[in-house]
Amino acid sequence: AQSVAQPEDQVNVAEGNPLTVKCTYSVSGNPYLFWYVQYPNRGLQFLLKYITGDNLVKGSYGFEAEFNKSQTSFHLKKPSALVSDSALYFCAVRDYGGNNRLAFGKGNQVVVIP
Amino acid sequence: NAGVTQTPKFQVLKTGQSMTLQCAQDMNHEYMSWYRQDPGMGLRLIHYSVGAGITDQGEVPNGYNVSRSTTEDFPLRLLSAAPSQTSVYFCASSYSKTSGYYEQFFGPGTRLTVL
Repeated sequence: AQSVAQPEDQVNVAEGNPLTVKCTYSVSGNPYLFWYVQYPNRGLQFLLKYITGDNLVKGSYGFEAEFNKSQTSFHLKKPSALVSDSALYFCAVRDYGGNNRLAFGKGNQVVVIP
Repeated sequence: NAGVTQTPKFQVLKTGQSMTLQCAQDMNHEYMSWYRQDPGMGLRLIHYSVGAGITDQGEVPNGYNVSRSTTEDFPLRLLSAAPSQTSVYFCASSYSKTSGYYEQFFGPGTRLTVL
């Protein structure tokens, strides 16, 4: 089965510093990769996706992600973190079988320190 | 568009009780799904549907039933609630049932406690 791993439970970063949230994947075939964000007591919101094409994907709220096939990684990045970026971030990969099922990582809590 | 809506927002049940979590979307999406979110475990797929009249099991289906009589609605039924079903439940939908290209839209969630 397809899977993703988010190795860090929590990422702390000072406001204004670059933010990176790590994700590695394991798939058979071409990966379809997604990042979602969850603010407190809210549902998940889509940030960006990689299907094919450029390895650098740009998404909502100034976030981008870099797809690296050789390292099987899809790290989420933001050049300058805001306090409002404090949230739970999930990496996901389309599951097997050619349908729209997603397999999620366990999530990373991001804390941006003023 | 209201997007994906879920009711209720909060629910407390006693062990053995049954209930239905409601989910509706107004985007004419083919694909709908139910997840549960537990601390440190991410989201786990319970059941999903690729269209009206078609449902299938996900990763953790035991103790839950679903049906899809219309494109818009996808209710989740707990037959006999157990404390292990204490969780936050999210419904999601997406445009395509097969391609996997399209992101999923999530509802606001239902926080369920089973005593």
